[in-house]
Amino acid sequence: DAGVTQSPTHLIKTRGQHVTLRCSPISGHKSVSWYQQVLGQGPQFIFQYYEKEERGRGNFPDRFSARQFPNYSSELNVNALLLGDSALYLCASSPGVPPPPSYEQYFGPGTRLTVT
Amino acid sequence: AQTVTQSQPEMSVQEAETVTLSCTYDTSESDYYLFWYKQPPSRQMILVIRQEAYKQQNATENRFSVNFQKAAKSFSLKISDSQLGDAAMYFCAYRSRMDSSYKLIFGSGTRLLVRP
Repeated sequence: DAGVTQSPTHLIKTRGQHVTLRCSPISGHKSVSWYQQVLGQGPQFIFQYYEKEERGRGNFPDRFSARQFPNYSSELNVNALLLGDSALYLCASSPGVPPPPSYEQYFGPGTRLTVT
Repeated sequence: AQTVTQSQPEMSVQEAETVTLSCTYDTSESDYYLFWYKQPPSRQMILVIRQEAYKQQNATENRFSVNFQKAAKSFSLKISDSQLGDAAMYFCAYRSRMDSSYKLIFGSGTRLLVRP
């Protein structure tokens, strides 16, 4: 089975532009989470979606938004890009939000975003 | 708010030797999960081991084991018989059972170097 896939692999944008990152979860997984990993730091939680509804949001400005589609894939959108948005954006999927044992998250390889 | 601290930015170990990576966390909750993730240069986060806070027995996965000290809020990872393929960034992570988003809170990571 294919793992979590993300596209694109790398992306270079200019300050003020908008970017869309995409994630396809493992087949059968209904929950998708997004994390931002700035160089030299651990990942920080941005969003979690389950069954197309937002279930959690981290401490990120409104420039960050996301959505989940009926096939459970997801998009992360960032508007008005800042230099500080340069990071590795990780997507993770899990079977669902119900109580354990479905608590493991499987990560994709990430999208490296560079803002110049 | 919960926090995770990894005080060792970098560790080095000789191949076939044993190394221990440290992690401390802060929480007021009694029921939670702790994880160790490995992030090789390929960037994909891989789950190494997990521990449920209500279990007193330390988790073990082949060459990887943890020392979970709940009262001290300490969660260290021991890697036995280190291999060259163990070289990577290692992240300690916390997840609350009370948070419906099931978000992971990561430490800043420890870079593990394995000397041949």
